[in-house]
Amino acid sequence: KNQVEQSPQSLIILEGKNCTLQCNYTVSPFSNLRWYKQDTGRGPVSLTIMTFSENTKSNGRYTATLDADTKQSSLHITASQLSDSASYICVVSYTGGFKTIFGAGTRLFVKA
Amino acid sequence: NAGVMQNPRHLVRRRGQEARLRCSPMKGHSHVYWYRQLPEEGLKFMVYLQKENIIDESGMPKERFSAEFPKEGPSILRIQQVVRGDSAAYFCASQGQGSYEQYFGPGTRLTVT
Repeated sequence: KNQVEQSPQSLIILEGKNCTLQCNYTVSPFSNLRWYKQDTGRGPVSLTIMTFSENTKSNGRYTATLDADTKQSSLHITASQLSDSASYICVVSYTGGFKTIFGAGTRLFVKA
Repeated sequence: NAGVMQNPRHLVRRRGQEARLRCSPMKGHSHVYWYRQLPEEGLKFMVYLQKENIIDESGMPKERFSAEFPKEGPSILRIQQVVRGDSAAYFCASQGQGSYEQYFGPGTRLTVT
């Protein structure tokens, strides 16, 4: 069964600290994996997108990794800021790219 | 989110009424996806359309829900005879030809009273 699981479900960290969010998937045939940030009440905003051949992608303080063999991805946030408080969603596409499964998200709270 | 427009942003309907949600994709994009997000849950795929064609509607309920993306004008998600369980945020995303990237709109929050 095609699934995307994210952990932890929620996370509280202090401003300035780093954190890593996890995404495991059982999706086939894999096309690409994307990480999105969703602020409360708003639409998701893309952070990174990786295809099968890419194993790391950075976007400012956000760095995503992909291990296609173990079907795992992580999103590392460096030097967190209060504005990083949001849900982070892992999305995996398959079957040529237009079939998509969303993870339930990790809710990140950054405290001063 | 820049460029993908959705309206209305908030919609209140009484049970049994119809809801029409509109999505204007980014300029030059001919692929539109609709997703539903229930409170405190993740987004769920509903339907994928290209201009004048429904490519995949496997995530859309068989009854009361329909979607279109005409040659001219926005994509429309139509929900007939709404029920309380239809209350959710509905997001559309647009995609350019040959790209994997999807750009989301701000969503329409539907409340059924």
